[in-house]
Amino acid sequence: GAGVSQSPSNKVTEKGKDVELRCDPISGHTALYWYRQSLGQGLEFLIYFQGNSAPDKSGLPSDRFSAERTGGSVSTLTIQRTQQEDSAVYLCAGGQGFDGYTFGSGTRLTVV
Amino acid sequence: AQSVTQLDSQVPVFEEAPVELRCNYSSSVSVYLFWYVQYPNQGLQLLLKYLSGSTLVKGINGFEAEFNKSQTSFHLRKPSVHISDTAEYFCAVSTGGGNKLTFGTGTQLKVEL
Repeated sequence: GAGVSQSPSNKVTEKGKDVELRCDPISGHTALYWYRQSLGQGLEFLIYFQGNSAPDKSGLPSDRFSAERTGGSVSTLTIQRTQQEDSAVYLCAGGQGFDGYTFGSGTRLTVV
Repeated sequence: AQSVTQLDSQVPVFEEAPVELRCNYSSSVSVYLFWYVQYPNQGLQLLLKYLSGSTLVKGINGFEAEFNKSQTSFHLRKPSVHISDTAEYFCAVSTGGGNKLTFGTGTQLKVEL
């Protein structure tokens, strides 16, 4: 597609439930990143996929967070047993070489 | 490890005035530098980037930034701002290729009449 697509755009979930956030990157972008943006804070790196290499998971805040990227394209970020502190905007970005990233519009997650 | 510091969390400025948003980075290797803009309720959009060559980089919407290696800075400037420039601006650094971008905490630019 023309841009990075994220779904859902908004998600409200009850504390303790699991959620899945989806990212459809631009075709051909070998690198895919997930970031989290909390209210009043900057962007927190979560996880990075590059081609067929093992992902860089160094930013995942706890073992409740996981992500996968199937076929080098679509990625899913899963948060298990959600907590209120997980409330944030989750941003996905794709990249190729030195061009910087193309960001999606994000998924606003609210845990109540 | 690389890091980015944006010292100003908020910068208020009157319309048609010049503005500078400061960004300093730390890295033990050569870096690539980026500025992104985030308009209210939207995703991030690339403003400009420095990869190599001329240290003065021009971007979209009349913005420019200058890479200063000795001062490890990459400040963003615009000679005359418009109301529509009100947004949050993020500086970011990468050590190259597909390596992850490390972002600063952002600067909220508020342009007033």
